[in-house]
Amino acid sequence: DVKVTQSSRYLVKRTGEKVFLECVQDMDHENMFWYRQDPGLGLRLIYFSYDVKMKEKGDIPEGYSVSREKKERFSLILESASTNQTSMYLCASSLSSSGSFTDEQFFGPGTRLTVL
Amino acid sequence: AQKVTQAQTEISVVEKEDVTLDCVYETRDTTYYLFWYKQPPSGELVFLIRRNSFDEQNEISGRYSWNFQKSTSSFNFTITASQVVDSAVYFCALSVRGAQKLVFGQGTRLTINP
Repeated sequence: DVKVTQSSRYLVKRTGEKVFLECVQDMDHENMFWYRQDPGLGLRLIYFSYDVKMKEKGDIPEGYSVSREKKERFSLILESASTNQTSMYLCASSLSSSGSFTDEQFFGPGTRLTVL
Repeated sequence: AQKVTQAQTEISVVEKEDVTLDCVYETRDTTYYLFWYKQPPSGELVFLIRRNSFDEQNEISGRYSWNFQKSTSSFNFTITASQVVDSAVYFCALSVRGAQKLVFGQGTRLTINP
């Protein structure tokens, strides 16, 4: 059974803290994605990666960075958390290489982050 | 630019009613893919269907059906004889070949009341 797991379901952090959100997939997928979900805005892409150590900016990369040291793991980093980064963060993966977005994406359960 | 509009923010129906979720998309490209995802209260999005722009056949899967009409740029989703377990947020999404993005609509929250 395909699986994308995220390190935390709920997280509360303080303004200015460095925050790490971890995502692991066990499907040997090439592509991994980080989205944030906000009411009325749908899902917006923060970053994606199509290979180990490769990353590409999405629509809203400001205030975030990512790391992909191993194929199965994709981390999202908030360098200095701010209250406007309070959101639901969803990780996803897909099989296709070369950064294709035309395949089905498999999603993790999400991390609801609150920044106080 | 690509855009997906789900005009229905929330829908509430009684169990066993049929319900249609609307999705209207915008793109100038001729090769594109449309998706529907379901997000139950547990949080993770679940893939329901993918349709490419060259396949306008309607799709039926059990109680679910999809109506793809290029003439109106719509990809609507119908649930027949709805059940409480269908309660979720449903997202329509668009991907254009060669463009590195999947554009989501705002989502429709569907509530099925017993």
